[in-house]
Amino acid sequence: GENVEQHPSTLSVQEGDSAVIKCTYSDSASNYFPWYKQELGKGPQLIIDIRSNVGEKKDQRIAVTLNKTAKHFSLHITETQPEDSAVYFCAASSESRGSTLGRLYFGRGTQLTVWP
Amino acid sequence: DSGVTQTPKHLITATGQRVTLRCSPRSGDLSVYWYQQSLDQGLQFLIQYYNGEERAKGNILERFSAQQFPDLHSELNLSSLELGDSALYFCASSVYTGELFFGEGSRLTVL
Repeated sequence: GENVEQHPSTLSVQEGDSAVIKCTYSDSASNYFPWYKQELGKGPQLIIDIRSNVGEKKDQRIAVTLNKTAKHFSLHITETQPEDSAVYFCAASSESRGSTLGRLYFGRGTQLTVWP
Repeated sequence: DSGVTQTPKHLITATGQRVTLRCSPRSGDLSVYWYQQSLDQGLQFLIQYYNGEERAKGNILERFSAQQFPDLHSELNLSSLELGDSALYFCASSVYTGELFFGEGSRLTVL
């Protein structure tokens, strides 16, 4: 099955700085790569996603890049704010493969702390 | 609010007992997924149902079982509970593929 690795496991930045979280995946059939944010006591919530026919996607202060050849994708958060502090998970999925359709394989998560 | 409802939010029970966790997916979503989240294992996929039928199984123990009912709600049954089963159990739903919408989880503590 798919194996998703995520780094770093913890990340501390000063408010206003940028944060970058990186993930790699193993299954070349994966074609959907979402990023989830989990705040304390809540379930993961999608913040941005990218499909394999696109190399980069941006939504205000967050962006995701995908390198299919190298099988890695990254989350970039610019102008970080204290409310960005949370655990971030990357995931990979195949939207075209039989029984695993829709199943997300998650990385282990990154605890991001933004200091005021 | 994701639209996915999970009950109970918290559950404390003893080893050897059996519990049932319940999930109501978003209106219109046919797929339901169960994930287990623990500190040492991250978010582990347990099982997926689509329109009442099992679609995929992950690292689900034989002591655990699930089903999705005709009204699309799902239940996860955990039996012969062990201390190591203490975790957050999340249900998520989706239309078919793409974004998963997660509930707020059921925190299980086994004493």
